[in-house]
Formats: sequence, structure tokens, C-alpha cells
Amino acid sequence: DAKTTQPPSMDCAEGRAANLPCNHSTISGNEYVYWYRQIHSQGPQYIIHGLKNNETNEMASLIITEDRKSSTLILPHATLRDTAVYYCIVRANFNKFYFGSGTKLNVKP
Amino acid sequence: EAQVTQNPRYLITVTGKKLTVTCSQNMNHEYMSWYRQDPGLGLRQIYYSMNVEVTDKGDVPEGYKVSRKEKRNFPLILESPSPNQTSLYFCASSWGDRNIQYFGAGTRLSVL
Repeated sequence: DAKTTQPPSMDCAEGRAANLPCNHSTISGNEYVYWYRQIHSQGPQYIIHGLKNNETNEMASLIITEDRKSSTLILPHATLRDTAVYYCIVRANFNKFYFGSGTKLNVKP
Repeated sequence: EAQVTQNPRYLITVTGKKLTVTCSQNMNHEYMSWYRQDPGLGLRQIYYSMNVEVTDKGDVPEGYKVSRKEKRNFPLILESPSPNQTSLYFCASSWGDRNIQYFGAGTRLSVL
């Protein structure tokens, strides 16, 4: 069974916030949530990660629900260069990474 | 420049002909990992290594071997490739508790 579930695609207007949801209802207490993105077929790039608390860095914010069963990646001001596939990932047993099938974000002018 | 280097980038081979995809990192990272990416399935972890001589299976290890004799190198070996191993392969490395992985550019493998 997939550890994460994501919508296959989303649209966002340039300059607006992009909110990408992820469901990880079977996550365990010590398993982290990571987000990466992939442009075309290049190697994925790290965005952000968290365990329980909300996190923010220069790229994005990560909101994790209190029960940890879902999370949302927020790109505050999407640009055309943010068009990519975004992966929600659960890190289990400290060393294993389970990728979701990804959300294709289309940022439109 | 800090990087993860995979070779070759593209490979076409035939069923049963042994092949090795190399992965090298210059960041002195302890952790290295191999993934395969198939359409609609995201990335799936094949093997990972916590350090030299320490390797373990990921989610889809069948048909693959790895070795970690040196810290910087983590080759992926397909002893007898089959068409269902046609895929895009990524190597990644990381270090520390945060385990933020840096990915290589990918190797596109076709097994005929």
C-alpha cells in the first residue's frame, strides 16, 4: 500500500500561493515527511521536511496536521519556474524513503 | 562543485547481459541510495547504504545488487537484466540526521 497519496495535477496562477496536499494516514510517530520536486526528468530537488511542527524555509512552508495524517506544501508566490512534479515522501526507519506518485503543478501566467 | 555523478546517462542493452551503473559523490556523504522511476509510480527505493560495507534492501531490490567498498562509490549491478528493468534510475547521497538527499542526473536504461 502506498504510504502517501497525492492528487495527480493542480493548476496555480503565477504570483498566487500554491497549496499542494498529501495524505499519509498510516504514518508512524517517528516517520518524517519530506517534499521534493522534479523538473522534467532531472534528479529530484529537496524542498523541505518536518516531523510534527510546521516548518518554513526560503522556498516553502510545510503544514502538518495535528494527527499527522496529512500535510500541505505551500509555495507562497508561485512563479513559472515552479512548474514541476512535487513529491510527498515518508521517511521510515530512518533510512527508507517512500515516494508518492507526485502532483504535477502547472503555474500559469 | 558538490555533485553526484552517474554513468552512463543512457544505456541500451539486451536481456541477460550483465551491466553496472556507477554512482560517485564528492561530498563525503555516509548515506547513498538507488531508486528507479517508472511512469505513474514516482520513485521507488532499490537499495541503500549507511556507510562502507553496510547495505540494505529498499522497496524493490529484486534483480539488483549493490556494493559499497569505498565511501564515494555505490555501483548498481544488474546480473541478468530483463525488460521489466527498463526504467530511469537515480542515485542519491546524504549525511546526518536530516538525511537531505542530493540526486544524480539519472540513467535511462532500456533492456531489449
